[in-house]
Amino acid sequence: EAGVVQSPRYKIIEKKQPVAFWCNPISGHNTLYWYLQNLGQGPELLIRYENEEAVDDSQLPKDRFSAERLKGVDSTLKIQPAELGDSAVYLCASSFGGGAGEQFFGPGTRLTVL
Amino acid sequence: TQLLEQSPQFLSIQEGENLTVYCNSSSVFSSLQWYRQEPGEGPVLLVTVVTGGEVKKLKRLTFQFGDARKDSSLHITAAQPGDTGLYLCAGAYRDSNYQLIWGAGTKLIIKP
Repeated sequence: EAGVVQSPRYKIIEKKQPVAFWCNPISGHNTLYWYLQNLGQGPELLIRYENEEAVDDSQLPKDRFSAERLKGVDSTLKIQPAELGDSAVYLCASSFGGGAGEQFFGPGTRLTVL
Repeated sequence: TQLLEQSPQFLSIQEGENLTVYCNSSSVFSSLQWYRQEPGEGPVLLVTVVTGGEVKKLKRLTFQFGDARKDSSLHITAAQPGDTGLYLCAGAYRDSNYQLIWGAGTKLIIKP
């Protein structure tokens, strides 16, 4: 069974440019998470989806970040415009049923903003 | 406010030594998970504990959940270079609506 797929794995952009990340969760997992992770730190939740509904986006900087999960499967996270401080790893995770169940993570996208 | 505190933040030891890392909170967990993350990969679940006083073993790793369900420890016996990674604890609370809250992690390096 395929795990959580993310692309691209690496992205280097100049500040003020837009960038988008894509995530394909494990088949059948209705809950999808986007996290930001700085080097050597724990994941910080950006947004959580239950099916196609964003049920927790309280930590998403909505002035520049947006996300969507059309049809409740794949998801895209966008930053526009990117700032230097956005350099980090963006992790996608999925789970069956949400709550405190096991989360399965993709390998992440490492973003560098120059 | 950091709900979940992990210590130490960083640990570098020689192969064969034993070590313990900790995860503490002032709140009571309904459940707690330990994950390991290797460079360039996402975290992978090691264990889930739910009962106060619970002890779980995974080969050379021993996980303990405090009696009051406010703390947990991970003990590694005879550490090996393959144990190198970032160890993360994540806990669920009533006040978090039982969603996972993540600690900042312990970065562990085992030198050959």
